[in-house]
Amino acid sequence: GAGVSQSPSNKVTEKGKDVELRCDPISGHTALYWYRQSLGQGLEFLIYFQGNSAPDKSGLPSDRFSAERTGGSVSTLTIQRTQQEDSAVYLCASSSSQFGKAFFGQGTRLTVV
Amino acid sequence: AQTVTQSQPEMSVQEAETVTLSCTYDTSESDYYLFWYKQPPSRQMILVIRQEAYKQQNATENRFSVNFQKAAKSFSLKISDSQLGDAAMYFCAYTSPNAGGTSYGKLTFGQGTILTVHP
Repeated sequence: GAGVSQSPSNKVTEKGKDVELRCDPISGHTALYWYRQSLGQGLEFLIYFQGNSAPDKSGLPSDRFSAERTGGSVSTLTIQRTQQEDSAVYLCASSSSQFGKAFFGQGTRLTVV
Repeated sequence: AQTVTQSQPEMSVQEAETVTLSCTYDTSESDYYLFWYKQPPSRQMILVIRQEAYKQQNATENRFSVNFQKAAKSFSLKISDSQLGDAAMYFCAYTSPNAGGTSYGKLTFGQGTILTVHP
């Protein structure tokens, strides 16, 4: 596709359920990022994939959070046993080089009820 | 570790006036890149302007320009002739090709500044 695509756009889930958020980066982009943004707040770094290197997972807030990037393309962010504090917009971005500009998706708004 | 600080949580400007958003960063690297991103209410993050640290000349994109002070580690964004469509949250960001390990090339963002434009 022409841009970074995230699905779903919105997700409402019950507390305790698992959710999967998907990110389709721009074809050929080697770098992929996940960020979390709470209402009106800044970007909280979650995880960073760069080519075939081991990902930087230093931003994952707990072991309930995990992410994969299959075949160097699509990425899935999984949140297990969701909590109300997980409610936020989850943003994905990709970049063609380590220091090129990042292109963002429109995010997934997750609401845990 | 690299850090990016935006000390102005909110700013406001009158339409057609000029406003400057502040950003400072901390790094031990000599080669790096700085960015300003805009996030309107639609949530879509959009790159506004990009500066390469080895370039002395300040980047400019139409009404947007930066004041890059490398020694002071300061990177402010100036918006001239402000328009209603400029209202958004603005993020300053940093990346370096020299950071090692799993942080190689990672983008680090500031906390953002909400810009309001008054008609």
